[in-house]
Amino acid sequence: EAQVTQNPRYLITVTGKKLTVTCSQNMNHEYMSWYRQDPGLGLRQIYYSMNVEVTDKGDVPEGYKVSRKEKRNFPLILESPSPNQTSLYFCASRAQGGTEAFFGQGTRLTVV
Amino acid sequence: LAKTTQPISMDSYEGQEVNITCSHNNIATNDYITWYQQFPSQGPRFIIQGYKTKVTNEVASLFIPADRKSSTLSLPRVSLSDTAVYYCLVGPTYNNAGNMLTFGGGTRLMVKP
Repeated sequence: EAQVTQNPRYLITVTGKKLTVTCSQNMNHEYMSWYRQDPGLGLRQIYYSMNVEVTDKGDVPEGYKVSRKEKRNFPLILESPSPNQTSLYFCASRAQGGTEAFFGQGTRLTVV
Repeated sequence: LAKTTQPISMDSYEGQEVNITCSHNNIATNDYITWYQQFPSQGPRFIIQGYKTKVTNEVASLFIPADRKSSTLSLPRVSLSDTAVYYCLVGPTYNNAGNMLTFGGGTRLMVKP
C-alpha cells in the first residue's frame, strides 16, 4: 500500500530535549515536505526537499532541521524544542511533476 | 503563488449537493487548481485537480469558468462523513524549487443529519 508513515504519532517531551520525528514513504517520490498545523494558522510549511541531499526552508523553519540522506526518509529534528513548537506535524511526499501529494497521519507533539 | 479566498465555514444536510467556491483573481497561466480534504487530526487528502472547464471524478466535480478567477468544488449528495475542512490551492503542478503546497484557511463543512 502506498503510504507516508510518521513516527511517533504522539509525543510529549520537555523543553530542550532533542527529538526526531521520522517520515518514510514507499512511493519513490522525489519531493518530501514537513508542515505544522496550529489552530487559526492552518498548515504551514517548515522544510521541503526536492531529492536526496537537497533541502530548503519553507515558511517557518526556525528551530527545526531536516536531512535527506535516502530518498524514502525525511526526518524532522528539533535540536532544542520549546513550548511554541507544540503542534500537529505532517509529512508529505509527491512525485516530481505529479498531481497529488500524500500526507502522513500526523504527529502530535507537546513540549512542556 | 496566487492567493485564494474561500468561505470560512458552510453547513449542509445529508443528501444535499454542496458547492464550495474559491476565488483566485491572480491565478497565473501555468497554475492549476487543486482541492484537498482534511478530517480532524488527519493529513490532508487530495480530492481533485483541474485547469479549466469541468473535471469530474468519483468523489467530486470541479467547475472552472473561462476566466479561471474562481472555481467551485461540488460534492454530490453529501453524507455525515463528508464533514471536514476543504482547501483550495492554486499553483503550478510542480515548480523547479520543489516548494510543494501552500494552504490557505480552508472551508469547514459541517454536514448535519
